[in-house]
Amino acid sequence: QKEVEQNSGPLSVPEGAIASLNCTYSDRGSQSFFWYRQYSGKSPELIMFIYSNGDKEDGRFTAQLNKASQYVSLLIRDSQPSDSATYLCAVKGPDRGSTLGRLYFGRGTQLTVWP
Amino acid sequence: DTEVTQTPKHLVMGMTNKKSLKCEQHMGHRAMYWYKQKAKKPPELMFVYSYEKLSINESVPSRFSPECPNSSLLNLHLHALQPEDSALYLCASSQFVQAQGPTYEQYFGPGTRLTVT
Repeated sequence: QKEVEQNSGPLSVPEGAIASLNCTYSDRGSQSFFWYRQYSGKSPELIMFIYSNGDKEDGRFTAQLNKASQYVSLLIRDSQPSDSATYLCAVKGPDRGSTLGRLYFGRGTQLTVWP
Repeated sequence: DTEVTQTPKHLVMGMTNKKSLKCEQHMGHRAMYWYKQKAKKPPELMFVYSYEKLSINESVPSRFSPECPNSSLLNLHLHALQPEDSALYLCASSQFVQAQGPTYEQYFGPGTRLTVT
């Protein structure tokens, strides 16, 4: 079983603050990393993906990947109440054996941004 | 366009009913997935199709029967379900199964909320 762990939350930040979401993974051979946002009662929406060490920025979102530490994070700058949702970290395992084609999810971190 | 569509949005069925969930994508993706999601849990993989062939079956009970009629369509046939099967059923697609990087990004449909009475 491949482990993907997320900071347990829930996380509550004021509007305008930076929200920091963290994720660690157990399979050192993992190469592709994804962040999904899921509003209550809705389906997961892909918001960020990262494949190389370092930072990747898209608007108010920054994904950070450190393969040596097996760590991936999502920063949300200038948080808005509309960012309140559950954020799922997902890791694609290596394309071999039992991990072929699979996306491993963390349990999610619930974020609340209060006005 | 990264749209995956699912019908119906909601489904209520009795334990003796037979129903089907449908999923469609027009992104030219060759991998399609069925997931089940219970409240406050992450999605749980059920089936994976690659090039219209079943490549992963996560030991799902036979009362769930997947079908991939063509590269754009995915069905999930339901029969004799149990109340504990009530959940959000999600379809997803990606360009390929055996890939890393951009060709593996999975996009989810809106889901079917299933209630078994």
